[in-house]
Amino acid sequence: DAGITQSPRHKVTETGTPVTLRCHQTENHRYMYWYRQDPGHGLRLIHYSYGVKDTDKGEVSDGYSVSRSKTEDFLLTLESATSSQTSVYFCAISAGGVSTDTQYFGPGTRLTVL
Amino acid sequence: EDQVTQSPEALRLQEGESSSLNCSYTVSGLRGLFWYRQDPGKGPEFLFTLYSAGEEKEKERLKATLTKKESFLHITAPKPEDSATYLCAVQVSTGNQFYFGTGTSLTVIP
Repeated sequence: DAGITQSPRHKVTETGTPVTLRCHQTENHRYMYWYRQDPGHGLRLIHYSYGVKDTDKGEVSDGYSVSRSKTEDFLLTLESATSSQTSVYFCAISAGGVSTDTQYFGPGTRLTVL
Repeated sequence: EDQVTQSPEALRLQEGESSSLNCSYTVSGLRGLFWYRQDPGKGPEFLFTLYSAGEEKEKERLKATLTKKESFLHITAPKPEDSATYLCAVQVSTGNQFYFGTGTSLTVIP
């Protein structure tokens, strides 16, 4: 299994509070991703990083910010959580290839916003 | 618009009853197509990568194939432990984004 951990694994919070999710990898992979998974939508990309301090938006980035100050850590922050952000969040990593690439996923964080 | 569609949404098979899952895609340029298995409460587990039309990959009872517009995941003589949701994803040639289908939930009945 790829060395990816996510914390916390479960979180319940209230609307309007800030929330930070952490992804940690031990593979020294260049790329890191944050996805959310909702019924009927599949996995949707929130943000990704292609190096330390290098990040870019995905298709559902509104309301989320990210930071990557070290190769091994990628943080996802919900500045002011809303009920629509209740979801399961997955972190993924990839080495980054010339032709194509393979993503490996963490175990997920289940977030509930009341 | 880049799009990935999986069918059927759900599939129930008797143990030993072979079948296929479909992943059709519409993308501007394909760098790779990926198959994942996801068990309840867990993250997706990588199965295969396919790069070009005509390519095939096999692993135990699973075989993935790729054409210019779709991919199939063939399951031969499935067992109950093959029950899971199978996800398809494509990586497009522009940028570094991946697009996922909504998955096929497979149940294999003993």
